[in-house]
Amino acid sequence: GESVGLHLPTLSVQEGDNSIINCAYSNSASDYFIWYKQESGKGPQFIIDIRSNMDKRQGQRVTVLLNKTVKHLSLQIAATQPGDSAVYFCAEITGGGNKLTFGTGTQLKVEL
Amino acid sequence: SAVISQKPSRDICQRGTSLTIQCQVDSQVTMMFWYRQQPGQSLTLIATANQGSEATYESGFVIDKFPISRPNLTFSTLTVSNMSPEDSSIYLCSVEGLRADTQYFGPGTRLTVL
Repeated sequence: GESVGLHLPTLSVQEGDNSIINCAYSNSASDYFIWYKQESGKGPQFIIDIRSNMDKRQGQRVTVLLNKTVKHLSLQIAATQPGDSAVYFCAEITGGGNKLTFGTGTQLKVEL
Repeated sequence: SAVISQKPSRDICQRGTSLTIQCQVDSQVTMMFWYRQQPGQSLTLIATANQGSEATYESGFVIDKFPISRPNLTFSTLTVSNMSPEDSSIYLCSVEGLRADTQYFGPGTRLTVL
């Protein structure tokens, strides 16, 4: 099937290992961040979000870390599974509005 | 989250023609959004569509090229007009979640212009 990740940075991990996907943002006024997962041939799927007044938020097998000092966001996936293979995008909202600005994306490949 | 469908799922079109993409959501939402995702790239917001008002377009996108309709709270259309090969992309609609700043996406429409 068609892949949207042909020209994106790639992270390859072994099944069962932890994955860390990074995202740098440029607008220090951004106050809300979302991680999306996009599988081949599908639209982006909401994974987890975090507000700028938090440093860390945990979900099921996923953790998002926010470092406002260096404007860096990361998504940690524990015990990575083949079904986690996808392109992952971070997105930010600035100033309490609703306009999402997406990062460039990272292709995660899980090797068996 | 809302269930969002798009029609068509994919199409191959000739240059100079127009294609209208439909987005249907299973619940009433105030704000709907249209994005473009060019091959191998990230998503770019085209416009925001509120029911009962003109769509708000982002820089680089104009109504003549991408007219949008929003006739009710569950439906919107995006038309890609006078297409050229550079319009070949995935077009996605999204809707706001229960929290207005969260957005959920449809499956996308894969457009190829020859």
